[in-house]
Amino acid sequence: NAGVTQTPKFRVLKTGQSMTLLCAQDMNHEYMYWYRQDPGMGLRLIHYSVGEGTTAKGEVPDGYNVSRLKKQNFLLGLESAAPSQTSVYFCASSYFERGSGELFFGEGSRLTVL
Amino acid sequence: QQQVKQSPQSLIVQKGGISIINCAYENTAFDYSPWYQQFPGKGPALLIAIRPDVSEKKEGRFTISFNKSAKQFSLHIMDSQPGDSATYFCAASISWTGTASKLTFGTGTRLQVTL
Repeated sequence: NAGVTQTPKFRVLKTGQSMTLLCAQDMNHEYMYWYRQDPGMGLRLIHYSVGEGTTAKGEVPDGYNVSRLKKQNFLLGLESAAPSQTSVYFCASSYFERGSGELFFGEGSRLTVL
Repeated sequence: QQQVKQSPQSLIVQKGGISIINCAYENTAFDYSPWYQQFPGKGPALLIAIRPDVSEKKEGRFTISFNKSAKQFSLHIMDSQPGDSATYFCAASISWTGTASKLTFGTGTRLQVTL
């Protein structure tokens, strides 16, 4: 099993450009999440999905959009990238309403916006 | 979301020593805390978690304790090893049955274990 796979792993954008980060999981998890990780800020939830066709806002959703057209995929889009969106982005998935709350993370996508 | 304050920000411990990381929270309803370990270039991975029915949980050299009256969770790493060098994140949620969208993460502690 690959677990959670993110593509691309690295990307450099110019301000105003758009891009999509792809996340795929092969664990049949209902829940999927996008986090950003910044120095001294920990992990902050951007958007999440409780199942195919559903999305919801997290703690820091502004400037991002998401889609969950298939259960195994969760896409994070930046329509007009800004330098403040320079970060490491992590996708994660978890079981539906299981007690452990365990998140399974991908290896991250490092985005630089110039 | 309620804050979770993690300390210290960084920690250097000699091999064989004890590493201690603390997380203080504001929301008195927090009663579940998973801890994640992250190696450079990798995503975080669940290390250990404590649920509301216990005040302490031990897994090998890793122990987490939950002091509800002090509103604090703590991770102790006994006999610290260079392989433990990583960033550690605490997290807290109101209910262990809740979804991870309700988790609040600490800011992380970078641990370095020296020889």
